[in-house]
Amino acid sequence: AQKVTQAQTEISVVEKEDVTLDCVYETRDTTYYLFWYKQPPSGELVFLIRRNSFDEQNEISGRYSWNFQKSTSSFNFTITASQVVDSAVYFCALSANTGNQFYFGTGTSLTVIP
Amino acid sequence: DSGVTQTPKHLITATGQRVTLRCSPRSGDLSVYWYQQSLDQGLQFLIQYYNGEERAKGNILERFSAQQFPDLHSELNLSSLELGDSALYFCASSVDLAGGTDTQYFGPGTRLTVL
Repeated sequence: AQKVTQAQTEISVVEKEDVTLDCVYETRDTTYYLFWYKQPPSGELVFLIRRNSFDEQNEISGRYSWNFQKSTSSFNFTITASQVVDSAVYFCALSANTGNQFYFGTGTSLTVIP
Repeated sequence: DSGVTQTPKHLITATGQRVTLRCSPRSGDLSVYWYQQSLDQGLQFLIQYYNGEERAKGNILERFSAQQFPDLHSELNLSSLELGDSALYFCASSVDLAGGTDTQYFGPGTRLTVL
């Protein structure tokens, strides 16, 4: 069975602090994909990153970075020097060939305080 | 802007009624997915269509149905509406060349309120 756990329900940080959002996944597939989406207060879901199970290299995009560790089944997301515009709900998702659908975590609500 | 469009943005209706939500996928995308997002249930996968055919089914109620038309737009029909159906309904699309693991791009959602 496929499952994604985002244990942090809500996080608050002060602007310019770094923050890490945790994502732990479960799957028996050897080929799978992990995603992060952002849902700002306006409500739309914005795609941030897609990573396949064979690529464990960390990825950095501006202030965003992702740490994929197969050994701990985690795909954590770090925002460096957080800004108020980063305030949103962030979802981690898993997709594998078995099941043919996305499995979303319950989301982490991030509030960046100015 | 993801390129996925959904109409209407907001819908207010009464219990027992039937509504239709519409989605147009990104140009070139063959798959359409429907999701329901409510406060207590999170983001729930409902159903997927690929090139007009149903491909995967999630937690979709029997009162709900969907279809994908030859021009690839999709409609989600919700009938005998209950208060608990109030939620944000998202449509997403993907190219879906990799067996359901391609990136899904989401529309802005339709907020349904059942009174």
